[in-house]
Amino acid sequence: AQKVTQAQTEISVVEKEDVTLDCVYETRDTTYYLFWYKQPPSGELVFLIRRNSFDEQNEISGRYSWNFQKSTSSFNFTITASQVVDSAVYFCALRTYNQGGKLIFGQGTELSVKP
Amino acid sequence: DTEVTQTPKHLVMGMTNKKSLKCEQHMGHRAMYWYKQKAKKPPELMFVYSYEKLSINESVPSRFSPECPNSSLLNLHLHALQPEDSALYLCASSQGIFVMPTNTGELFFGEGSRLTVL
Repeated sequence: AQKVTQAQTEISVVEKEDVTLDCVYETRDTTYYLFWYKQPPSGELVFLIRRNSFDEQNEISGRYSWNFQKSTSSFNFTITASQVVDSAVYFCALRTYNQGGKLIFGQGTELSVKP
Repeated sequence: DTEVTQTPKHLVMGMTNKKSLKCEQHMGHRAMYWYKQKAKKPPELMFVYSYEKLSINESVPSRFSPECPNSSLLNLHLHALQPEDSALYLCASSQGIFVMPTNTGELFFGEGSRLTVL
């Protein structure tokens, strides 16, 4: 079975704090992709990053960084020096080879950054 | 700006109405998707089209009828909906439905159509 778990339902921080959003996934497939999406109040799901199962390199993009660890089946997302504009719901998602295009979402983490 | 365009952004309809949601992409993607999202929940897959053919129907009630006229367009026809069908309907596209080195895998979503059924 494929599953994505985001244990943090809501997180509230003050601007400039660092925050980490957790994501744990389950799959028996050896070929898969993991994603993070941001959904601001406007509704659009904005693609942030993709990681495939063969690439465990961590990545940094500006204030965003991602830590992919196959040993713990985790793909965590850290925002450094958070800003009010980072307030949104963040979804971690899994896509595997034999699921015909299905994207399996976690329940989402609602991040609120207060000034 | 999103490269997946959805219209209308907002739609209010009665239970006896017939309406359609439209989605368009010009990224040359061959897979297109409809998702339904209720408040405070993740998106739920409804339909997947691959090369203009229906690939997945997640047991969606027949009052939702998808249509893919060509590789760039995806419609969702709505008829005799119920109030519980009120939700955000998201369209997405991707290069293909299979995960492989030549397929970057991510889905690109539109801004959604917010549907209210009275």
